[in-house]
Amino acid sequence: DAGVTQSPTHLIKTRGQHVTLRCSPISGHKSVSWYQQVLGQGPQFIFQYYEKEERGRGNFPDRFSARQFPNYSSELNVNALLLGDSALYLCASSWGGGGSYNEQFFGPGTRLTVL
Amino acid sequence: AQSVTQLDSQVPVFEEAPVELRCNYSSSVSVYLFWYVQYPNQGLQLLLKYLSGSTLVESINGFEAEFNKSQTSFHLRKPSVHISDTAEYFCAVSEVDSNYQLIWGAGTKLIIKP
Repeated sequence: DAGVTQSPTHLIKTRGQHVTLRCSPISGHKSVSWYQQVLGQGPQFIFQYYEKEERGRGNFPDRFSARQFPNYSSELNVNALLLGDSALYLCASSWGGGGSYNEQFFGPGTRLTVL
Repeated sequence: AQSVTQLDSQVPVFEEAPVELRCNYSSSVSVYLFWYVQYPNQGLQLLLKYLSGSTLVESINGFEAEFNKSQTSFHLRKPSVHISDTAEYFCAVSEVDSNYQLIWGAGTKLIIKP
């Protein structure tokens, strides 16, 4: 089975532009989470979606938005890009649902550079 | 507020020597605890986790971590490291009954010296 896939792998944008990052979860997984990892720091939680509904949101401005599609894939959108948005954006999928913790499986990430 | 502290940004150690990577967390509720590893140019992989039960958990490649509730710590140890262990290690915490959001430490780079 394929793991979590993300596209594109690398992206260069200029300030003020908009970007869309895509994520396909492991087959059967219904939950997708997005994280931002700035160089030299740990990942920061951005969003979590489960069954196409937002389940959690981290401390990020409204320029960041996301959605999950019926096939459980997901998009992360960032508007009005700032230099500080340059980071590795990680997507993770899990079975989701209630109960004990569901392990998150990470994709390789999308490296976004804002010039 | 929930937070995770990894005090050491880098830990250099000779091959076949023991190593300990430190992780402390702050939370007012029960937590799940994780160690993830990120090898050069690769994604994050779960190394081991504590959900409940025995406070000592082990990975398949010889790492172990012990949950110490009184000290709010979850230090990672290995008795003998190899060159292949060169990676960055991240400690993460999720509050029980939360939406499974992971709060991460800043990471520790394990540098193996030959």
